[in-house]
Amino acid sequence: GAGVSQSPSNKVTEKGKDVELRCDPISGHTALYWYRQRLGQGLEFLIYFQGNSAPDKSGLPSDRFSAERTGESVSTLTIQRTQQEDSAVYLCASSERGTGGALEQYFGPGTRLTVT
Amino acid sequence: GENVEQHPSTLSVQEGDSAVIKCTYSDSASNYFPWYKQELGKRPQLIIDIRSNVGEKKDQRIAVTLNKTAKHFSLHITETQPEDSAVYFCAASIWGKLIFGQGTELSVKP
Repeated sequence: GAGVSQSPSNKVTEKGKDVELRCDPISGHTALYWYRQRLGQGLEFLIYFQGNSAPDKSGLPSDRFSAERTGESVSTLTIQRTQQEDSAVYLCASSERGTGGALEQYFGPGTRLTVT
Repeated sequence: GENVEQHPSTLSVQEGDSAVIKCTYSDSASNYFPWYKQELGKRPQLIIDIRSNVGEKKDQRIAVTLNKTAKHFSLHITETQPEDSAVYFCAASIWGKLIFGQGTELSVKP
């Protein structure tokens, strides 16, 4: 079946502009996660959705970052007033469920964001 | 908060040798420990995982061991091949979210 997809694959934006990144999880996966990966670094957790609620937003770096999810499908990560330090690859992952027994997370290809 | 330390940051081995990557975690509540392989410009791919009620798991040339008392877990790759060259990440899961180590760049020289 189809894996996790993300769009756009690449985004170049000017400092101060807002951007929206999209994630389509694997059909039937109720848990969805956003991570950020800076160049040459590990993955940083941003936010986790179970269904359309977000029980853990602890990784969002500032109030410029927000995310929402429609039902158990598409999620968008919005970064307002982008800064150069926001440049990174933003990865989305999904799994069959979240708490109560962690299951395998499958990653999308990521969105490479460059803020100039 | 939860922290995962991973060593070494780079590892170079000859084809056919074994490679070992080690991770430690801080939160004893962690109950799931996956390992991901990431090739340049690609997404992380799950290669093996282990749960807290198991001490060792093996899948062909790859094995993972977990020591809950010491809070560390390791990835072992035997008979390495050039196509094993990639960055490997360990992670620990608390309530779903993954906390990742900083990665190990493995280079297998033919």
